[in-house]
Amino acid sequence: DAKTTQPTSMDCAEGRAANLPCNHSTISGNEYVYWYRQIHSQGPQYIIHGLKNNETNEMASLIITEDRKSSTLILPHATLRDTAVYYCIVRRYGGATNKLIFGTGTLLAVQP
Amino acid sequence: EAQVTQNPRYLITVTGKKLTVTCSQNMNHEYMSWYRQDPGLGLRQIYYSMNVEVTDKGDVPEGYKVSRKEKRNFPLILESPSPNQTSLYFCASRLAGGVAGEQYFGPGTRLTVT
Repeated sequence: DAKTTQPTSMDCAEGRAANLPCNHSTISGNEYVYWYRQIHSQGPQYIIHGLKNNETNEMASLIITEDRKSSTLILPHATLRDTAVYYCIVRRYGGATNKLIFGTGTLLAVQP
Repeated sequence: EAQVTQNPRYLITVTGKKLTVTCSQNMNHEYMSWYRQDPGLGLRQIYYSMNVEVTDKGDVPEGYKVSRKEKRNFPLILESPSPNQTSLYFCASRLAGGVAGEQYFGPGTRLTVT
């Protein structure tokens, strides 16, 4: 599975959009981009995933560049409860190991 | 409510005293996994199971055992715990035919071995 690079930390003002970047320049054609978040020592929470097209759900939007070498997770109106470590993960759609490789992630601090 | 539950949430024990951390999911998921999370090392997979009676080693299986006698339960067994197994443990599950990266995690079990 491809390696990802994320900034260590970011700040965002409450009510503003939080844009979290992820670089995955070695991504393969059959690999998806997944985003999770982990609020202090709680279990990681799935947010969204995508392959090529931009995706949106009730939590966030995912923008993937045309060459698929990078992506951005957008939280449209960040709240204090969105303060968490956000992980960008690249892996194949299926696979028997069920393994997710979590990197160091981005600590998003939403400021009041 | 669809969820993964773990018990206990916190446990302090002594070296060598066998313990079991339970994991249960109510979503009829085939796949289940155990991870441990340590500072600076991220989450690492310990064991996984693709279905009842089917289990396999992850990246850090030494010192752990698992069983999958029922679809909903996937207990993690430490036969002789040691201090290096002090960690935060997470159980996760997903549908076999679903998106492999879309997994549901339990709330975590913080284990301290003295």
